[in-house]
Amino acid sequence: EVQLLESGGDFVQPGGSLRLSCAASGFTFSSYAMYWVRQAPGKGLEWVATISGRGGSTYYGDSVKGRFTISRDSFQNMVYLQMNTLRGEDTALYYCAKSVRDLIPDAFDVWGQGTMVTVSS
Amino acid sequence: DIVMTQSPDSLAVSLGERATINCKSSQSVLYSSNNKNYLAWYQQKPGQPPKLLIYWASMRESGVPDRFSGSGSGTDFTLTISSLQAEDVAVYYCQQYYRTPATFGQGTKLEIK
Repeated sequence: EVQLLESGGDFVQPGGSLRLSCAASGFTFSSYAMYWVRQAPGKGLEWVATISGRGGSTYYGDSVKGRFTISRDSFQNMVYLQMNTLRGEDTALYYCAKSVRDLIPDAFDVWGQGTMVTVSS
Repeated sequence: DIVMTQSPDSLAVSLGERATINCKSSQSVLYSSNNKNYLAWYQQKPGQPPKLLIYWASMRESGVPDRFSGSGSGTDFTLTISSLQAEDVAVYYCQQYYRTPATFGQGTKLEIK
């Protein structure tokens, strides 16, 4: 069964840091680009970051560029999102998602359940 | 960025009736070299992650009931539920993947009348 499981969400003060993790299973991990998509409470979906299948290329939304870093470990089948200088507007449920193919950008055929990040003083 | 605009924001339809949700992109998402529209539709039920329903504007994802269909090309797209079932109550999003950043519509909330 294809599965994504996020972890690492927490309550953090503005200016703080957090690292999210996504454990992937059930598919050939290095064959697909991986994505982080977030959803603020009661709001819509916002793409955050992308990493290519082999990890050589990364892309970021303007709202997180320079503060967030996406990475992957193909030995452990993990995707990470390092989040620095967090702001209140980063408060959201963060989803890890798998690309349908290895396109950038792409549609997302598998999503995790999400991990909640709350930034507040 | 390509802006995706859905209409209506909310919709109430009787069980067994047709539901239609529209999505308009600020620029064409049709790639001329392969004649594919880089447009997807998702369903999100409360407390759940989004679920892919349609990609390439009209290709139904495996396991999605055939009452769901997608149509359109270029900048104007439609998601149709031919006969609404109770389990279809959800928020529906369109998404373009023609160009980075991938962008979503604001969502359409579908309820039972």
